[in-house]
Amino acid sequence: AQSVSQHNHHVILSEAASLELGCNYSYGGTVNLFWYVQYPGQHLQLLLKYFSGDPLVKGIKGFEAEFIKSKFSFNLRKPSVQWSDTAEYFCAVNNAGNMLTFGGGTRLMVKP
Amino acid sequence: SAVISQKPSRDICQRGTSLTIQCQVDSQVTMMFWYRQQPGQSLTLIATANQGSEATYESGFVIDKFPISRPNLTFSTLTVSNMSPEDSSIYLCSVGSSGADTQYFGPGTRLTVL
Repeated sequence: AQSVSQHNHHVILSEAASLELGCNYSYGGTVNLFWYVQYPGQHLQLLLKYFSGDPLVKGIKGFEAEFIKSKFSFNLRKPSVQWSDTAEYFCAVNNAGNMLTFGGGTRLMVKP
Repeated sequence: SAVISQKPSRDICQRGTSLTIQCQVDSQVTMMFWYRQQPGQSLTLIATANQGSEATYESGFVIDKFPISRPNLTFSTLTVSNMSPEDSSIYLCSVGSSGADTQYFGPGTRLTVL
């Protein structure tokens, strides 16, 4: 069975700091990769996704993620965070015929 | 992406009772799913709601505890039966065009069982 691990459970940054959230998955075949975000009091929203092609994908609000197949990783990045990025971030993976498997989530707090 | 609504948005229930959660989508979708997000934890898939047939449950979830209906391509219900405090969670429905496609999530139903 596939699994997804997010290394950081809680991250605290100051505004304008750079962000990188780690995500690793365990599955040897073709995968689709996702980052979802849940802002306080709001529902889960898709931030970005990777299905194929350019391994560097850009999402909404200046986020990007890089798929490194050899490392089974799909880390999320943002060069300069804002207070409004305070949220919980979930990495998720599925493969053909399987359902989404979520990582444990990372709570990001950005201090103004 | 589809617009997904859930009812109720939250509820407080007594132990031993049951609650039915509704999920409505503004367009026809092939796949509908139900997830649980326990306090402080990530999302876990409960089951896939299949239109016109029984839901497909993931390991650890059974139909007697979480009966699911899907009468058409825009609507599904999840019932949490004979509730206990351990069932206190956020329950979310999601939709997609296939199992491997992007899934979009509803706002969730926050359930507290006393």
